Amino acid sequence: AQSVTQLGSHVSVSEGALVLLRCNYSSSVPPYLFWYVQYPNQGLQLLLKYTTGATLVKGINGFEAEFKKSETSFHLTKPSAHMSDAAEYFCAVSDPSSASKIIFGSGTRLSIRP
Amino acid sequence: DTAVSQTPKYLVTQMGNDKSIKCEQNLGHDTMYWYKQDSKKFLKIMFSYNNKELIINETVPNRFSPKSPDKAHLNLHINSLELGDSAVYFCASSQGSGAVYEQYFGPGTRLTVT
Repeated sequence: AQSVTQLGSHVSVSEGALVLLRCNYSSSVPPYLFWYVQYPNQGLQLLLKYTTGATLVKGINGFEAEFKKSETSFHLTKPSAHMSDAAEYFCAVSDPSSASKIIFGSGTRLSIRP
Repeated sequence: DTAVSQTPKYLVTQMGNDKSIKCEQNLGHDTMYWYKQDSKKFLKIMFSYNNKELIINETVPNRFSPKSPDKAHLNLHINSLELGDSAVYFCASSQGSGAVYEQYFGPGTRLTVT
């Protein structure tokens, strides 16, 4: 069975500071990995995904994540936080052989201090 | 142009009632989904349809019945509503049924059962 653990339900950083949101996964097969963002009162939007190939994945809005198989991690980073980054972030994992079933983590709320 | 739309946006009803939520996508996608997000933001897949055929059916009470009249629509009917059904329900769609395909989410329907 697959699972996702997001460390820290709430992360607060200053504007311009580094953003680091942590995600660890459990999977018996090489997984697909995703980060989604949810702005207040909106649906989820894909930030980036890892399927195969390069382990450093770049996404929208300046975010990137690195797949580290040895650490079973897929942490999300952004060099410089912007006020508009305040949102809920979800890490997710999927079995490539599954029929679109994605397992989501519990989410991390990112707050940005002026 | 709205890609994935849901109606209604808010739904307040009493226990025991029957209600429906409608979802439409204009992206030409083959696969559609229903997710439930509880008060702690935990997001879990309920159903998935590919070309009007059910491909994912998670452990959901049989009071919940999805219906896909065509590829662009996936409705969710809920019988005998209970307090625990209060949540935000998200519809999503993707180009194909494989896990590699990006899922596009609707804005959500906030269901409150009193």
